[in-house]
Amino acid sequence: NAGVTQTPKFRILKIGQSMTLQCAQDMNHNYMYWYRQDPGMGLKLIYYSVGAGITDKGEVPNGYNVSRSTTEDFPLRLELAAPSQTSVYFCASRAGGGFYEQYFGPGTRLTVT
Amino acid sequence: AQSVTQLGSHVSVSEGALVLLRCNYSSSVPPYLFWYVQYPNQGLQLLLKYTSAATLVKGINGFEAEFKKSETSFHLTKPSAHMSDAAEYFCAVSAQVQAGTALIFGKGTTLSVSS
Repeated sequence: NAGVTQTPKFRILKIGQSMTLQCAQDMNHNYMYWYRQDPGMGLKLIYYSVGAGITDKGEVPNGYNVSRSTTEDFPLRLELAAPSQTSVYFCASRAGGGFYEQYFGPGTRLTVT
Repeated sequence: AQSVTQLGSHVSVSEGALVLLRCNYSSSVPPYLFWYVQYPNQGLQLLLKYTSAATLVKGINGFEAEFKKSETSFHLTKPSAHMSDAAEYFCAVSAQVQAGTALIFGKGTTLSVSS
């Protein structure tokens, strides 16, 4: 199993550009999550999904959109990049049962200039 | 609402010394608690988890944590630090969100180990 994979690893965007951060998992997990990590702030939940076709906002959703058309994929879309979106983005997934343990991808480091 | 507080953003120890990373939580329901480790430029890796089965939880790499309900704490310890333990450590609590559950993370503690 590859686990949770994320692409790209690094990206530099100009203000106003758009991009999609890709996330995929091969563990057949129902739940998937997007977090952003800023220095000294821990991880903040952006969006999550409880299954294909079902998504909901987390703590910091402004400026982002998501979709979940398959169990495996959970892309995060930035429509109009702003410097405040400079961050490291992590995707995670977990099974439906169990004790809510999440498995994380390696992250995407995004810089908006 | 659930929350997590990690006391000390940076902890420095000598190799071979005791490691103690502090975590206090707030939860209106019996919590599920987690410690994750993040090595430089990597994702988060689960160290251990508390799921109410036992108050002393053993994890990977010699780490353990004790759940103390009376103190609302879940501190992480390791008897003898190794250079390879240098990393950032996150405490997290499972929280109910609108359509399911998510993790609420503390701000993290960076552990430095000197020789």
